[in-house]
Amino acid sequence: NAGVTQTPKFRILKIGQSMTLQCAQDMNHNYMYWYRQDPGMGLKLIYYSVGAGITDKGEVPNGYNVSRSTTEDFPLRLELAAPSQTSVYFCASSYSWGNTEAFFGQGTRLTVV
Amino acid sequence: GENVEQHPSTLSVQEGDSAVIKCTYSDSASNYFPWYKQELGKRPQLIIDIRSNVGEKKDQRIAVTLNKTAKHFSLHITETQPEDSAVYFCAASAASLSQGGSEKLVFGKGTKLTVNP
Repeated sequence: NAGVTQTPKFRILKIGQSMTLQCAQDMNHNYMYWYRQDPGMGLKLIYYSVGAGITDKGEVPNGYNVSRSTTEDFPLRLELAAPSQTSVYFCASSYSWGNTEAFFGQGTRLTVV
Repeated sequence: GENVEQHPSTLSVQEGDSAVIKCTYSDSASNYFPWYKQELGKRPQLIIDIRSNVGEKKDQRIAVTLNKTAKHFSLHITETQPEDSAVYFCAASAASLSQGGSEKLVFGKGTKLTVNP
């Protein structure tokens, strides 16, 4: 059982470049989330999805976009990367509204230079 | 929206001592309160959670208490061991939109716990 799988694990981007962080889960969870974790800080919600075709903004959505075409996949798109987007990104999923365990991927460490 | 405050930001204890981490939340509709442990370089993982119909929950050396009136909840770790060293996050969310409040899981900023041998 793979759980939540994120790719890549590490990435260095130049300012202005774009990339997509991939996230897939095999637990048939409807709810998926993207968080960013800055050094020494907590988890801030970027975007979330309550099911295929439905997405909504979290606390810090600027500079990011998401899509949810299938239950399994929830990619995060960074357009025009900026140094402020240097962070560790975690994808997570849960069975229902945030009242059940959220399973996290292993994280993507992104550096924008 | 929900706001979760967590204290302290760092905590250092001697092996065998107890550790307590406290969180407060703002949204009275929140009724699910999980705690996550994140070891260095790893993903956050759930260690214990509590729902609003329960005041206390224990699992071996860890326990969580909830005071809905005061809107605060705490994590208690007894007989701490070096492997308890990690960052601990509290979080809060509501059970469903029909009850109001946010379905989003909102995290505190974390507490870095160091257990000294």
